[in-house]
Amino acid sequence: QKEVEQNSGPLSVPEGAIASLNCTYSDRGSQSFFWYRQYSGKSPELIMFIYSNGDKEDGRFTAQLNKASQYVSLLIRDSQPSDSATYLCAVRNTGFQKLVFGTGTRLLVSP
Amino acid sequence: NAGVTQTPKFQVLKTGQSMTLQCAQDMNHNSMYWYRQDPGMGLRLIYYSASEGTTDKGEVPNGYNVSRLNKREFSLRLESAAPSQTSVYFCASSVGQGLYEQYFGPGTRLTVT
Repeated sequence: QKEVEQNSGPLSVPEGAIASLNCTYSDRGSQSFFWYRQYSGKSPELIMFIYSNGDKEDGRFTAQLNKASQYVSLLIRDSQPSDSATYLCAVRNTGFQKLVFGTGTRLLVSP
Repeated sequence: NAGVTQTPKFQVLKTGQSMTLQCAQDMNHNSMYWYRQDPGMGLRLIYYSASEGTTDKGEVPNGYNVSRLNKREFSLRLESAAPSQTSVYFCASSVGQGLYEQYFGPGTRLTVT
């Protein structure tokens, strides 16, 4: 089992819809969770981080964390074509104090 | 602030050649990291430096060495490049380890023939 798993996609949504990106992790002791956006040929860009169970909202983005079920999700409301990118989930590994990345989900938002 | 900068942006090496990838940050961060990104493999940690003067191996350290030159600079050296090291290399930094988020440089695209 991979430490951090994401569906590779692509996830296709129409402009204006809600995009839902999911991530599961295996380290039950993980305490911090990050979402990065990566455009093709560019570097990962931090979108949000979340530490506590529940929801955290920032503009059109909402991160949701459920530690009991070991999953974290990212919702993008009012999706725009400019949101088309690969979204990377990263989880801090409690044993080695490092971030473990998923392989990413490719999101395509069609006009 | 430039954030995290990397040089070079692109490099082509022949098998057996050596090179050093440079990374610098101007955010006064304590921790710095080197990752490689390959299709289908995601980002994998090569080496990291929790603070100036310390370095530690990550998930895929074989074939690489690092130097934390000072608080700002963290370099990655390939002593004898192999085709398996063809990848995109990212440097990142964070305030410290633990809960802190990491910020990435623009990357170096390396091809070893």
